[in-house]
Amino acid sequence: EDQVTQSPEALRLQEGESSSLNCSYTVSGLRGLFWYRQDPGKGPEFLFTLYSAGEEKEKERLKATLTKKESFLHITAPKPEDSATYLCAVAGGTSYGKLTFGQGTILTVHP
Amino acid sequence: EPEVTQTPSHQVTQMGQEVILRCVPISNHLYFYWYRQILGQKVEFLVSFYNNEISEKSEIFDDQFSVERPDGSNFTLKIRSTKLEDSAMYFCASRRSGDEQYFGPGTRLTVT
Repeated sequence: EDQVTQSPEALRLQEGESSSLNCSYTVSGLRGLFWYRQDPGKGPEFLFTLYSAGEEKEKERLKATLTKKESFLHITAPKPEDSATYLCAVAGGTSYGKLTFGQGTILTVHP
Repeated sequence: EPEVTQTPSHQVTQMGQEVILRCVPISNHLYFYWYRQILGQKVEFLVSFYNNEISEKSEIFDDQFSVERPDGSNFTLKIRSTKLEDSAMYFCASRRSGDEQYFGPGTRLTVT
């Protein structure tokens, strides 16, 4: 059974204070690892897909990296508008795209 | 930019009643999904749908649940006899041929 664990559960940063979120996973044949952003009361918003160890993707202040057992979402010089819950999910190789999600990390960035 | 839409945004129903949640996936997408998120818990997979049939379903998706794509644009989730524990946010998602899924804004289902 695919499993995803995210840490920390919550992270409070000052504006401009860089940090990283962790996603540990176990999956039978990784098809893809996905990062989503979720604002309160809204649906997950797609950020990145990573497929193989060593891969990196960047978008504005966010950079996602992947190893064989975990992924990191690095946030550089965050702004208050980056405050959200960040979700990690995996799709296994035998699925039809079924995503298994972690609990998420609630990020709060104070001005 | 195309997006997934869902109606209604909030549905209140009494225990034992049938509900239908509606979704309009992105128009050229081929794979369709339903997920749910109970308050404070993880997003959970319910069912995937491709080529007019269910391709995968979770243990949650029992005989009380069904999905349908009645025309070329809508994708529905029906719960035949709702229970208190069905109260959750229900998200529809779709994808084309790539792996990333695009989610709708969700329907909040409240069962009283």
